[in-house]
Amino acid sequence: DAKTTQPPSMDCAEGRAANLPCNHSTISGNEYVYWYRQIHSQGPQYIIHGLKNNETNEMASLIITEDRKSSTLILPHATLRDTAVYYCIVRYNRNSGGYQKVTFGTGTKLQVIP
Amino acid sequence: DSGVTQTPKHLITATGQRVTLRCSPRSGDLSVYWYQQSLDQGLQFLIQYYNGEERAKGNILERFSAQQFPDLHSELNLSSLELGDSALYFCASSATAGGRLDEQYFGPGTRLTVT
Repeated sequence: DAKTTQPPSMDCAEGRAANLPCNHSTISGNEYVYWYRQIHSQGPQYIIHGLKNNETNEMASLIITEDRKSSTLILPHATLRDTAVYYCIVRYNRNSGGYQKVTFGTGTKLQVIP
Repeated sequence: DSGVTQTPKHLITATGQRVTLRCSPRSGDLSVYWYQQSLDQGLQFLIQYYNGEERAKGNILERFSAQQFPDLHSELNLSSLELGDSALYFCASSATAGGRLDEQYFGPGTRLTVT
C-alpha cells in the first residue's frame, strides 16, 4: 500500500470549513484513498473514499488531484464534535481474497475551536 | 454505536501474565479484524478471521493468538505480556471476507495496561 503524509495537527474555527490535506505521491492506479476519523480513543469511523473523481456524502467531501498524488478532505461546517484524529489511507479496494496488513499511521489531529 | 461490542473496556495486568479480549461482531457480519493502537505505532492490523477461519495475518506477535467461534464472536489472547503491549485493542467486523475498509465497523476498544 502507498504511504501517506499528513500534517500532525490543524485548528479550525467552528462553523468554518476544515480542509485536511494528504499526500500520497506513490499511489498506484487502482488504489483508493480512504478517510477515517477517531474521536478521543473511540473506534475509528469510516468517512469517505474515492478513486479519481471527487466524492461527497453526508459527512464530508473528498477532492483528489488530477495526478492523484494528493487529496483533501473537506468538512464543510466544522462543529466541536468534529474534533478528532483524521487518517488518510491508500489501499486497494479488494472485494475478495484476504485482508492484508494496513497501518493507519498517526493522522492529523483536528481541533475545532469555538 | 457501530453494533460491535468489546469486553472488557479496561484491563490492567502485570508483565508475564496472559489476558483474553473478546469481540462480538455486528449481527450478520462474518469477518472479524483485530487491530492494535499504541502511542508510537498508530493503528496496526493484527489478524482477520472469516466465518471461523483465519483469513489474513498482519503484524501479530507469536505471543498473541486469536480465534473465532461458531457463534462468530472472536477472542484475542495475549500471553507473556510485556510493558510494550500496553495499547488500545480494537476489533472491527464486516459482512465479507475481502476487508474493504469502507465496510468495516469498529468496536469501542479495550484499553490494556501492563504494569
